[in-house]
Amino acid sequence: SQTIHQWPATLVQPVGSPLSLECTVEGTSNPNLYWYRQAAGRGLQLLFYSVGIGQISSEVPQNLSASRPQDRQFILSSKKLLLSDSGFYLCAWRGRQLNQPQHFGDGTRLSIL
Amino acid sequence: AQTVTQSQPEMSVQEAETVTLSCTYDTSESNYYLFWYKQPPSRQMILVIRQEAYKQQNATENRFSVNFQKAAKSFSLKISDSQLGDTAMYFCAFMKGQGGSEKLVFGKGTKLTVNP
Repeated sequence: SQTIHQWPATLVQPVGSPLSLECTVEGTSNPNLYWYRQAAGRGLQLLFYSVGIGQISSEVPQNLSASRPQDRQFILSSKKLLLSDSGFYLCAWRGRQLNQPQHFGDGTRLSIL
Repeated sequence: AQTVTQSQPEMSVQEAETVTLSCTYDTSESNYYLFWYKQPPSRQMILVIRQEAYKQQNATENRFSVNFQKAAKSFSLKISDSQLGDTAMYFCAFMKGQGGSEKLVFGKGTKLTVNP
């Protein structure tokens, strides 16, 4: 069966520091991968998605970036964090068949001080 | 662009009773998929139920069922015999029915509280 791993679960970072969140998927190949952000008490905002290695599409202009160095690895990064980057970050994957839903990781709670 | 609207920010229900969460969407697509996700206090996003737009029959998963009205672009979730573990945020989501990246468009969510 497929599983998705996301880490770290919790992260506290000072303003201006770098960021690296990692997500890996097991048990499937060539998945679509997604990064979402959820502000407190609000819905999900799609940040990036990827349909293949090295292929990244950005949904929202911001100081975050994403990379997909391997088929089942998706990384969310920042060179300098802002206070507004605080939130709950969720990684998700989806199979290629048309009716496949997205499956989510357990999320990373990011607090910027 | 597609939009998803959940008009009930918060709802509550007594344990063992039935509750219906509403969702409407706007799209010009004819082929698409609809989902309900549950996010308990642990923040994990859990798929509850899904519906293919080309299917007329409403999807059912145990105590969860949907009322899909394609012409009205309505996709409500009914939870029967509510349990304390159903307390969570519920998100309605839309996905276009084409191959490729297919992104989910989420509503803002409904916070459901099941009271003992």
